Amino acid sequence: AQKVTQAQTEISVVEKEDVTLDCVYETRDTTYYLFWYKQPPSGELVFLIRRNSFDEQNEISGRYSWNFQKSTSSFNFTITASQVVDSAVYFCALSNGGSQGNLIFGKGTKLSVKP
Amino acid sequence: GAGVSQSPSNKVTEKGKDVELRCDPISGHTALYWYRQSLGQGLEFLIYFQGNSAPDKSGLPSDRFSAERTGGSVSTLTIQRTQQEDSAVYLCASSLRGLAGELFFGEGSRLTVL
Repeated sequence: AQKVTQAQTEISVVEKEDVTLDCVYETRDTTYYLFWYKQPPSGELVFLIRRNSFDEQNEISGRYSWNFQKSTSSFNFTITASQVVDSAVYFCALSNGGSQGNLIFGKGTKLSVKP
Repeated sequence: GAGVSQSPSNKVTEKGKDVELRCDPISGHTALYWYRQSLGQGLEFLIYFQGNSAPDKSGLPSDRFSAERTGGSVSTLTIQRTQQEDSAVYLCASSLRGLAGELFFGEGSRLTVL
């Protein structure tokens, strides 16, 4: 069965610390997509990244970076030099049924960045 | 507007009443998704549309829930005979290329059933 596990329910860090959010997935699909979304207190889910199963290159976007490892079925997300504005709930998600399917979300990790 | 628009943003209803929630996707997006977010259950998939057809309705929790999409655009999620456990935020998302593209989410409709 398709499944996404975000083992960290809540994380609290002090501004400027680096923080890694873990995501482990299970799938029987050979082609699949992985996503990260941010949900700030305002509520709207904001897309951060989409990665397909054939592309294991790590990606960096500013202070954000993602480490995709098929060998461990993980797609971890690191925020470098965290800021208060990074406080949000972060969701990892996995496609169910390839590109024409739906998304299965993890339970989310609530990140609190304190000044 | 440029984003996914949902209405109403808030709905309070009495148990047993029917409710309709509307989603206006980004123009040109062929794929449309409904999700439900509640405290205990996280984000649950409800239904997915490609154009006007729904290839996957597997997430609808009961036959009280139904959805339609017309003109390949606006979608309506209808909940009949609402129950207290239906209280949640109902989120709509649209995409140009299904999951091969980015899913854009609306701000959601918060439903409270008294």
